[in-house]
Amino acid sequence: AQSVAQPEDQVNVAEGNPLTVKCTYSVSGNPYLFWYVQYPNRGLQFLLKYITGDNLVKGSYGFEAEFNKSQTSFHLKKPSALVSDSALYFCAVRVPRSGGSYIPTFGRGTSLIVHP
Amino acid sequence: DVKVTQSSRYLVKRTGEKVFLECVQDMDHENMFWYRQDPGLGLRLIYFSYDVKMKEKGDIPEGYSVSREKKERFSLILESASTNQTSMYLCASSSSGTTWNQPQHFGDGTRLSIL
Repeated sequence: AQSVAQPEDQVNVAEGNPLTVKCTYSVSGNPYLFWYVQYPNRGLQFLLKYITGDNLVKGSYGFEAEFNKSQTSFHLKKPSALVSDSALYFCAVRVPRSGGSYIPTFGRGTSLIVHP
Repeated sequence: DVKVTQSSRYLVKRTGEKVFLECVQDMDHENMFWYRQDPGLGLRLIYFSYDVKMKEKGDIPEGYSVSREKKERFSLILESASTNQTSMYLCASSSSGTTWNQPQHFGDGTRLSIL
């Protein structure tokens, strides 16, 4: 089955340190990958996407993600974490559906906690 | 800025009731989606629509139906609410394109409790 996995339920990092939130995917063909962030009691907000081109994608709020085809990964990174980055992060991959549509399938989410 | 508005932030209903969740987007997006979010399970797709009056089942459509009579509005209907439908419901929209590579825009969710 085509899917995306987030192997860590929670990531803890100290403020000012670099952070990584992991995502691996399993799809046939070229993957279209997305990262979203969800703050408490809010909907998801789009951070960045990889469609094609440069393997390092830059997004909102200083986040970036590195696409690695050989490892089938799309890890989210930030050089220096802020307490305000504490939130739930979702990775998603576009998956084909019957009828020719492609719908994002989401991972289970990773809770990022940045300690002061 | 794209705005996706869900009619209620919190809703409490009783078992067996027919429940309507409403979602409106203001960016003329072709695609609209309903998800439910449960701890540890992430987002699961209930239904989506790629045009007015068009709908397709997602991964967990049982017990739900949808309606899209106008482009900007997508309604989720719980035909006979049950306690296992207590959840956070998220609506999203996205613009179309032949490669479906546009990001989704989400509402703030409706936290539904079925008693």
